[in-house]
This record gives sequence, C-alpha cells and structure tokens, in this order.
Amino acid sequence: NAGVTQTPKFQVLKTGQSMTLQCAQDMNHEYMSWYRQDPGMGLRLIHYSVGAGITDQGEVPNGYNVSRSTTEDFPLRLLSAAPSQTSVYFCASSPRGGLAGHYNEQFFGPGTRLTVL
Amino acid sequence: KNEVEQSPQNLTAQEGEFITINCSYSVGISALHWLQQHPGGGIVSLFMLSSGKKKHGRLIATINIQEKHSSLHITASHPRDSAVYICAVGGAGSYQLTFGKGTKLSVIP
Repeated sequence: NAGVTQTPKFQVLKTGQSMTLQCAQDMNHEYMSWYRQDPGMGLRLIHYSVGAGITDQGEVPNGYNVSRSTTEDFPLRLLSAAPSQTSVYFCASSPRGGLAGHYNEQFFGPGTRLTVL
Repeated sequence: KNEVEQSPQNLTAQEGEFITINCSYSVGISALHWLQQHPGGGIVSLFMLSSGKKKHGRLIATINIQEKHSSLHITASHPRDSAVYICAVGGAGSYQLTFGKGTKLSVIP
C-alpha cells in the first residue's frame, strides 16, 4: 500500500491564485481530514470527511473548500490564495468514520509546503 | 474547546537517558494520541490511549483520566529518537482532534 499520498510537495502561489492540493489513500479508510501546521502552533483542522459524499468544517475552514466524491480522494481547494495561507498542509486518514473516527490510528501524508506571495 | 499543553517545549538529552514528555488537557476526552514528527516533516502515530498504559519497544505511554494527564516515556534514548513529539486529544461526541504544540527532543550521542 502507498498509504496516504499528497501532491504537490511544494508550491508557490501569488496572492489571488487558486489551486487544489491533492490527497489520496489506498487503505479504504472512511475518515479523512486536512490540517495546517504553522510555526509555534499545533496542527489545526481545516475540513474533514467521515465518508464519501460527507464533509464538514473544522477549526479553520475559511478560504478552503473540500469534496469527497470517492473513498480514496479528498482534495483541498484554495479559492483565492492569501499570504495567511502560507503553511504546511497535512492530509490524514483513519479506518473508521463516525464519532469513533478519532479513536483510531491516524495515518498522515508527507505534507505540502505552500508559500503564498 | 479543549486546551492541550505539552511540557517541556524543548528537551536535550544525552544518549541512554530516560526521557519523559508530558501532556495535559482541560476537558474530559475519549482518546489521546501520541505522534512523532521526523526532522523531514513526516508524522507517524505512536500510540492511541483511552486508559492505562501502552508499551512499544522503548516507548511507553500512560494516561490518567482523572488528572487529565498523559506521559510519553522513552527508555535508553538514542539519537534516532530526535524528533518532535505531539499529543492530540479527541472528545466524546466530537470528530475533531485538538493538538498540542509539540515537544522538540534532541538526543546527543
């Protein structure tokens, strides 16, 4: 299994540009999530999904959209990039959805380092 | 919102030392995770606890639900243990994990 994969690894955008960060997992996990990691702060949840067709907002959702059309893929879209979105983005998955999702081992992708100029 | 505090923020140890990293949280939880972030940035799950104690190799994780506190211990530390260790908690009825800021461990040969 490839586990959780993310593309690209690095990206530089100009303010106002849009882009999609890709995340895929081949473990048939129900629960997937996107986090951002900023210096001096813990990982913060952006959006999550408990299964195909179901998404919800996390702690810091503004400026980001997600969709979950398949179990495997969970892309994160930046609608109009801003310098405040400069961060490292991690996608994660775990085996079970529903309220028990966080009871299970979390599998993280390698991260995408995004810089917005 | 649960507040998660880790201590210490930074820790330098000599190879072979016994290491303890602490995590405290403010609101009752259903699960606590310990994660390791390598210098290259990758994050791996070490433990998930809801009660008691777990051991994996040289790593031991404990949790005291009443005191809202968990510890991660590393016995016979090694330079390859150098990483950031992150505590995360999940509350009953919530899909979301709340993360601590991490403890940066450096083990010197």
